[in-house]
Amino acid sequence: QKEVEQNSGPLSVPEGAIASLNCTYSDRVSQSFFWYRQYSGKSPELIMSIYSNGDKEDGRFTAQLNKASQYVSLLIRDSQPSDSATYLCAVVTGGGNKLTFGTGTQLKVEL
Amino acid sequence: DTGVSQDPRHKITKRGQNVTFRCDPISEHNRLYWYRQTLGQGPEFLTYFQNEAQLEKSRLLSDRFSAERPKGSFSTLEIQHTEQGDSAMYLCASSSQRENGIFGPGTRLTVL
Repeated sequence: QKEVEQNSGPLSVPEGAIASLNCTYSDRVSQSFFWYRQYSGKSPELIMSIYSNGDKEDGRFTAQLNKASQYVSLLIRDSQPSDSATYLCAVVTGGGNKLTFGTGTQLKVEL
Repeated sequence: DTGVSQDPRHKITKRGQNVTFRCDPISEHNRLYWYRQTLGQGPEFLTYFQNEAQLEKSRLLSDRFSAERPKGSFSTLEIQHTEQGDSAMYLCASSSQRENGIFGPGTRLTVL
């Protein structure tokens, strides 16, 4: 079992719709969770962090965490073509010294 | 520019040659990470520094790889006797207790 798992996609949504990206992780003691956005040929850009169970909202983005189910998600409301990118889920593992990434989900927002 | 910088941005080398990459973190960040990313994969952890101390190395980091962070400022990653399988994007990230991992633009290595 991979430490952090994501559906590779592509996930296609129409402009203006809600995009839902999911991630599961295996390390039960993990406490810190992140979502990064990565455009093709560019480095990852941090867009959300979440540490407690529940929802955290920042603009059009909402991160959701359920530690009992070892599940993290990212909702993007009012999706725009500029949101088309790969979204990487990352979890702090190894005693807090490193981020372990999933393989990423490719999101395509269609006009 | 107060972000993380990496040099060079691109490196093409022949198999067997040695290469060295540099990372300059955000000045107030005491933690520095190196990751490697290949096409279609997420970044893979290579090594971690807190100040000048290298606290963790991945099993992925063979003896051909070495990293340093003298004086706890910039860091270098050297790959000796490069192999075609070393071709990847090498990413540096820095962080502090207040700010999470911020990535630099990466160095894309191509080994011919």
